[in-house]
Formats: sequence, C-alpha cells, structure tokens
Amino acid sequence: DQQVKQNSPSLSVQEGRISILNCDYTNSMFDYFLWYKKYPAEGPTFLISISSIKDKNEDGRFTVFLNKSAKHLSLHIVPSQPGDSAVYFCAATRSGNTGKLIFGQGTTLQVKP
Amino acid sequence: NAGVTQTPKFQVLKTGQSMTLQCAQDMNHNSMYWYRQDPGMGLRLIYYSASEGTTDKGEVPNGYNVSRLNKREFSLRLESAAPSQTSVYFCASGRQGIRETQYFGPGTRLLVL
Repeated sequence: DQQVKQNSPSLSVQEGRISILNCDYTNSMFDYFLWYKKYPAEGPTFLISISSIKDKNEDGRFTVFLNKSAKHLSLHIVPSQPGDSAVYFCAATRSGNTGKLIFGQGTTLQVKP
Repeated sequence: NAGVTQTPKFQVLKTGQSMTLQCAQDMNHNSMYWYRQDPGMGLRLIYYSASEGTTDKGEVPNGYNVSRLNKREFSLRLESAAPSQTSVYFCASGRQGIRETQYFGPGTRLLVL
C-alpha cells in the first residue's frame, strides 16, 4: 500500500524551462510534506517543505504547491538548470509521528543544456 | 562538521552471513533513522530511534536489528543476510518534531549473494 506516489519515473526538460514534478498521497492524516534531491552515489538532501496550513512555499527557483482536497503536491523548478538533474523524492509525515517520513518512489529529472 | 557518516561504503555478503552497518552523526541530533532504497520503491524506513536509549520499528523491520549506542551512533545489524536484503542503506538524523529535516549519510551499498 503505497501512501505516497510519484507516478512519473522520469522527466526530461530543456535548460531554462520549467520542471514540474508531481506527487500524490492517500493518507489524509499527513500534514507536512518535503522534497528531497538525490545525486548518484550520495544521500538525499533536503530541498523544500510545506505545511498543510499553506498551499504554496517558495525558495528561490523552487516552489512547492499543495492541493489538500486533491491530496496532491507538486514541485516547480524555474528556470531549470543542468545541475538540477537528479532524482527527486517527495515525502510526507504527520504530527506526533516522531519524524517518520513516508517517501514516494522518486522521479529522475534530466535537464538538457 | 562531517554530518552523517556511514561505514562501510560497499559490502558483499554471502547468504547467511552477518554484518553491522555503522552510522554516526556530529550534529547533536536526537533522532536517527535507517532506510533502505530499492529500485522503484523509494526509501523505506527500517528502524528509527527518537532519542538515545529508544528504538522502534519502521515499515520494513524484518531481518534487521538496531542499537542506539549513544547519542551519536546508531547501528543496523543483519543477523543472517538474505538476497532480498540487497539494497542501498541510508542512515539519517534529525531534531525531533514535526518540522524536522532529516540529514542523510552517503549510503552503504550491500550485495547479498
């Protein structure tokens, strides 16, 4: 039972364009969502997060949108750069869960020069 | 500041052999976690430790044991390795709390023959 799903295994975009990575969840108890970025042979690194009391959070080129009614979040990268090429994982957790994260399967983003 | 360190980086085991994966963090974090990453499955939580002296099961604990040796160190033991435990193992640490960001180590790649 996959509570967090990333249905697109891969995405390819041109440098300078927008990258949109999507994530769906099934557990309505989740109230905090995170995106992690992972390069080959490295551990995941935190990118951006959003609380369920918000519907948008921005950090530089990265914006995360949350649609609670649809149980859907998305990560927008504008403009995309070749260095953004990596695997992106979304993760979810809920209050009182001792920080336990449920991860999606990951989406591999390739940004072409 | 080394962050989260893991040893070894790579290990080959035969079925039935045992081994311990080591993890240490120097960020004075209370919580520590062990995940495994498999193709198409994202990261799945094996065990976690909310604070020194406590451990608890995650999503996929079978076949593993853990020890929170002190605040810095959290080890993962495979008593009798099986081919299904071939995976990449990540250790992470973080402060407790809902907005906790987890910091990951570089991973241990384990192959069980």
